[in-house]
Amino acid sequence: EVQLVQSGAEVKKPGESLKISCKGSGYSFTSYWIGWVRQMPGKGLEWMGIIHPGDSDTRYSPSFQGQVTISADKSISTAYLQWSSLKASDTAMYYCARHDMYYYASGSYWYYYMDVWGKGTTVTVSS
Amino acid sequence: QPVLTQSSSASASLGSSVKLTCTLSSGHSSYIIAWHQQQPGKAPRYLMKLEGSGSYNKGSGVPDRFSGSSSGADRYLTISNLQFEDEADYYCETWDSNTHGGVFGGGTKVTVL
Repeated sequence: EVQLVQSGAEVKKPGESLKISCKGSGYSFTSYWIGWVRQMPGKGLEWMGIIHPGDSDTRYSPSFQGQVTISADKSISTAYLQWSSLKASDTAMYYCARHDMYYYASGSYWYYYMDVWGKGTTVTVSS
Repeated sequence: QPVLTQSSSASASLGSSVKLTCTLSSGHSSYIIAWHQQQPGKAPRYLMKLEGSGSYNKGSGVPDRFSGSSSGADRYLTISNLQFEDEADYYCETWDSNTHGGVFGGGTKVTVL
């Protein structure tokens, strides 16, 4: 069974650092991009960024560039999302998701979509 | 970058059907999208991938009651024989091959009456 298992809930103070994880199993971890999604309390889904665990190629949404760092350790099939200095506004649920890919011949491009989701990690930042 | 527009809410009676719409922005009407369901307090779940032709591929275990269709820039998710467990938020998602990044619509909250 394909699974993404995320690390547990975190409670932190403003200014602290944090690294949360997402461990893949049941598939070839280095063959699929892994993305991160933020959901602030009562709000919708926001696409943050994506990493290819095979070569660590990483892309960020402009909204999150410079605010977070996405990394991966393929030796243990785990992707990470980290902050160097948390803010209260980082309080949210964070999901990781595997991206499957499909070649759309009519448009001559690869389309990536989230086909497996982790259960989420709650991050609370409060003084 | 493509923008996905969804209405904020929809409602229908138990056992009836509801059709949700996700509209792609100008210049992106041929894009493929994915539909995801998020039940209250749970993680999102992938439902299907849907092309502009109306062809769709569902995820593993997604009930037959869920189907997709397309018309121009609009992508639809139809839920037939609505059940209380279908009460959830539904999000559409697409991919921008130019920026190599994903985009979500704002989500539609479905209420089963």
